[in-house]
Amino acid sequence: GAVVSQHPSRVICKSGTSVKIECRSLDFQATTMFWYRQFPKQSLMLMATSNEGSKATYEQGVEKDKFLINHASLTLSTLTVTSAHPEDSSFYICSARDPRGENQPQHFGDGTRLSIL
Amino acid sequence: AQSVSQHNHHVILSEAASLELGCNYSYGGTVNLFWYVQYPGQHLQLLLKYFSGDPLVKGIKGFEAEFIKSKFSFNLRKPSVQWSDTAEYFCAVKTTGGGNKLTFGTGTQLKVEL
Repeated sequence: GAVVSQHPSRVICKSGTSVKIECRSLDFQATTMFWYRQFPKQSLMLMATSNEGSKATYEQGVEKDKFLINHASLTLSTLTVTSAHPEDSSFYICSARDPRGENQPQHFGDGTRLSIL
Repeated sequence: AQSVSQHNHHVILSEAASLELGCNYSYGGTVNLFWYVQYPGQHLQLLLKYFSGDPLVKGIKGFEAEFIKSKFSFNLRKPSVQWSDTAEYFCAVKTTGGGNKLTFGTGTQLKVEL
């Protein structure tokens, strides 16, 4: 079963709206979670690394003020797309790595399809 | 920065055919390598991973991959595909010193026909 839960799975909203996406690790505590963005027919691009109790680390070219990340607990990270515009429409995916044991892979959520009208 | 190339974007096979999907990466240091699969409407799932040791790695559902360091490659193989293998396949690389960040290839859409 899923070990990372992402909610909502789909959002359709008007331009200018802010949208919050949640990512929860279900079976483990994750000090680090990752947020990806996937455009149609393209690869997953890492946007930022969410760090519990500290600021997120953003990849080059990702606007911090546009994509707000909060990792307030060991099982929850949120991504807020602020004042969303049509160009922000995309598929957003989170992942988390189980820190227990060596060589653990990342577990992925189901993704959130965001459509801005 | 490291990059990952998957040269086959779309592959169509008949059931029982053999499969090989290419994956090449660019990074001179030590890498960890992964293949993930995404079935229609589902989340990414790990097929197999390579960290060290035997370069021939066996994963779930009969998949295997071979790490060839000299070729910077980690190709995915399956001797006989099934209709249920229809999915998108992603190769990913994690480099030492890069934390746990993954760099993904662009994916290969596999369609298996009956």
